Amino acid sequence: SQTIHQWPATLVQPVGSPLSLECTVEGTSNPNLYWYRQAAGRGLQLLFYSVGIGQISSEVPQNLSASRPQDRQFILSSKKLLLSDSGFYLCAWSETVEAFFGQGTRLTVV
Amino acid sequence: KQEVTQIPAALSVPEGENLVLNCSFTDSAIYNLQWFRQDPGKGLTSLLLIQSSQREQTSGRLNASLDKSSGRSTLYIAASQPGDSATYLCAVKRDSSYKLIFGSGTRLLVRP
Repeated sequence: SQTIHQWPATLVQPVGSPLSLECTVEGTSNPNLYWYRQAAGRGLQLLFYSVGIGQISSEVPQNLSASRPQDRQFILSSKKLLLSDSGFYLCAWSETVEAFFGQGTRLTVV
Repeated sequence: KQEVTQIPAALSVPEGENLVLNCSFTDSAIYNLQWFRQDPGKGLTSLLLIQSSQREQTSGRLNASLDKSSGRSTLYIAASQPGDSATYLCAVKRDSSYKLIFGSGTRLLVRP
């Protein structure tokens, strides 16, 4: 069966520090991968999605970037965090039909 | 541009009631629609998925319907329980490789 791992679960980082959030999927190949952000009291905002290795589409201009170095690995990064980067980050995967989400990373930038 | 709306934003009901959550979308050319549940501080759990050719899907006390022509989906929860308290989100997909577009969710509280 397929599983998705996302870590860390919580993170507190100072403004200006770098960020690396990792997501891996097991039990499938060539999945579509997604990074979403959920700000407090708001809906899910799609940040990046990828249909294959090295293929990244960015939805919203921002301080973040994404990479897919391996088929089932998706990384969300930032060189210098801003206060506005705080939020709940969710990784998801999908083959052709149903989408499945990780447990999320709560990022607080202080 | 596809937009997804969920009404109401919040709902409080006594235990045992049957309830309906609504989801509407502006572009009827969807590939599928998916309902999710989110508990506070947690990720999303997939509840039901309806393909564009289907009219409804059922799982236990949950029933989701889809009317593409009117751009609407409903999630029906029978005999609600306090454990059903969570935020319910609907999302649509334009094609098999495309992104999910989410509504802002309905926050449900089932009172004992």
